[in-house]
Amino acid sequence: DIQMTQSPASLSASLGETVTIECRPSEDIYNGLAWYQQKPGKSPQLLIYNANSLHTGVPSRFSGSGSGTQYSLSINSLQSEDVASYFCQQYYNYPYTFGAGTKLELK
Amino acid sequence: QIQLVQSGPELKKPGESVKISCKASGYTFTDYAVHWVKQAPGEGLRWMGWINTYTGKPTYADDFKGRFVFSLEASATTANVQISNLKNEDTATYFCARYELRRLHNWFAYWGQGTLVTVSS
Repeated sequence: DIQMTQSPASLSASLGETVTIECRPSEDIYNGLAWYQQKPGKSPQLLIYNANSLHTGVPSRFSGSGSGTQYSLSINSLQSEDVASYFCQQYYNYPYTFGAGTKLELK
Repeated sequence: QIQLVQSGPELKKPGESVKISCKASGYTFTDYAVHWVKQAPGEGLRWMGWINTYTGKPTYADDFKGRFVFSLEASATTANVQISNLKNEDTATYFCARYELRRLHNWFAYWGQGTLVTVSS
């Protein structure tokens, strides 16, 4: 199985700041990576697919990058509504696996 | 619009069984598989497997073989997961999800709202 190492586990940032979350698969997943945002009591919402493609309707302050075994999600100009947990997921191969998540809070 | 609507919360005792449903609408049900994802309280997401909505064939992740059964009510555009011999560690929110595109591997663009199953004596 492909292991997804996500960091940091938690993050505290100020409004307007830029934050970056990293995800490292245990093997090359050839950009088969998605990022999701999840707010308490809600289902995950797709942000990014194919490592760097912005899903329809997602604000442009979200961006994804990376390749091979190193990927990242960046949020520019942090807004209060961005407070949530974020998960990466590889869909390159079964079984699909998720990162452990990053909890983003406001400082 | 595309929707996945799941059944309501369940409270069960250890050893009992539970069946969670996921009703799809807004698209041709048999064109897309339904996947299932588990999230224990305060924890991350775990992919459980999927069911081919055209053939009815289920595929289970290793940790979900044995007590978990995926099924369909195709005429009702509904996918189900039944969990038997419930254990405390089955306490979780269970999500159904669908790909955006009709491919073997794809990202999850559509999610149900989740069903909380609580197992407690």
